[in-house]
Amino acid sequence: KQEVTQIPAALSVPEGENLVLNCSFTDSAIYNLQWFRQDPGKGLTSLLLIQSSQREQTSGRLNASLDKSSGRSTLYIAASQPGDSATYLCAVCGVGGGADGLTFGKGTHLIIQP
Amino acid sequence: DAGVTQSPTHLIKTRGQHVTLRCSPISGHKSVSWYQQVLGQGPQFIFQYYEKEERGRGNFPDRFSARQFPNYSSELNVNALLLGDSALYLCASSLADRENDGYTFGSGTRLTVV
Repeated sequence: KQEVTQIPAALSVPEGENLVLNCSFTDSAIYNLQWFRQDPGKGLTSLLLIQSSQREQTSGRLNASLDKSSGRSTLYIAASQPGDSATYLCAVCGVGGGADGLTFGKGTHLIIQP
Repeated sequence: DAGVTQSPTHLIKTRGQHVTLRCSPISGHKSVSWYQQVLGQGPQFIFQYYEKEERGRGNFPDRFSARQFPNYSSELNVNALLLGDSALYLCASSLADRENDGYTFGSGTRLTVV
């Protein structure tokens, strides 16, 4: 059974810092990995999708990497801003595709101090 | 173009009652999935439907059921509600069951069982 772990569970940093959020998964047989952002009481906003054949994806100040063989992904946020404060969730899609659904970590709760 | 829409946004029910939650996918998307998110946890996979057929089911009791209509919208039904069913219920849509382009989530339905 796939398990996803996110470290740290919570993080508070001053504005302007670069930071790294970590995600690990136990079964390397994945189809893709997706990073989401969730604001309190809201739905999920997709940030980056990495296919299993890719090593990284970039969007603006965000960069996500994937090392499938070691079961790890990182989300790098450059020049953090107070508006980046949210919970960040990592989710993996198994090779069974939709039949397996996404397996999520518990998330990293990020606070950017002004 | 409208995103994934869910209704209602909030709902309060009494133990033992039945509830129906609704989801409309992005236009052109044929796959709909349902997730349950309890406070402080990542979303948990409930069902995936593609072309009106159930393609996957998570570890949830038979009190949970769903269906997909010819227009690809979907309903999630929960019978005999328990206090533990209180959660944010999220719907996600994707183009196909292999999720080449990842999932897009709605804003969710907040269910409170009293």
